[in-house]
Amino acid sequence: ETGVTQTPRHLVMGMTNKKSLKCEQHLGHNAMYWYKQSAKKPLELMFVYSLEERVENNSVPSRFSPECPNSSHLFLHLHTLQPEDSALYLCASSQVLQGRYEQYFGPGTRLTVT
Amino acid sequence: TQLLEQSPQFLSIQEGENLTVYCNSSSVFSSLQWYRQEPGEGPVLLVTVVTGGEVKKLKRLTFQFGDARKDSSLHITAAQPGDTGLYLCAGSGGGADGLTFGKGTHLIIQP
Repeated sequence: ETGVTQTPRHLVMGMTNKKSLKCEQHLGHNAMYWYKQSAKKPLELMFVYSLEERVENNSVPSRFSPECPNSSHLFLHLHTLQPEDSALYLCASSQVLQGRYEQYFGPGTRLTVT
Repeated sequence: TQLLEQSPQFLSIQEGENLTVYCNSSSVFSSLQWYRQEPGEGPVLLVTVVTGGEVKKLKRLTFQFGDARKDSSLHITAAQPGDTGLYLCAGSGGGADGLTFGKGTHLIIQP
């Protein structure tokens, strides 16, 4: 497999459930990201991992918990979500090089909180 | 906080017409990327511009980075229905920072 993959592609969960989103990158990159995409809003950066260490979380609510066990895998653990958390969750990876910071995105997980 | 303003937000034109999409900011970026996103999919990288004044061409698409590295434009010549999609510009401040995205331009090319 190539590029960035995400599972599941679609997820419906109740507000009391616990679920996890998974991302895997096959590009040999050293940084991974979680973004949230809601209707009528720009993509919002949630978490950044560079060399497997979290460097930014942008004041994301604690009901979202990231985990990066190695440079190829990234998880987003979800618990007691709210309906307004329904959105497309996108994972991205990049190879941080001097002056160039392209990020490559996975297909996303469409999350619906009921 | 860095912000990117894209215009227009929506654009619907006929096949064969030309169009320009703009991406503006009051902040300077180390680099700027353009992405295209189709419904239910993640954004796909089209181009990265790094140097002020840089122009890059990708078939019928021409990308320009402003001299001051605060703004960019995307020009499409002879648009085709396959160009339909959401076009996003995103700026990088450098390092492992996440990208700052504009809201995007929804482009529809009608046959």
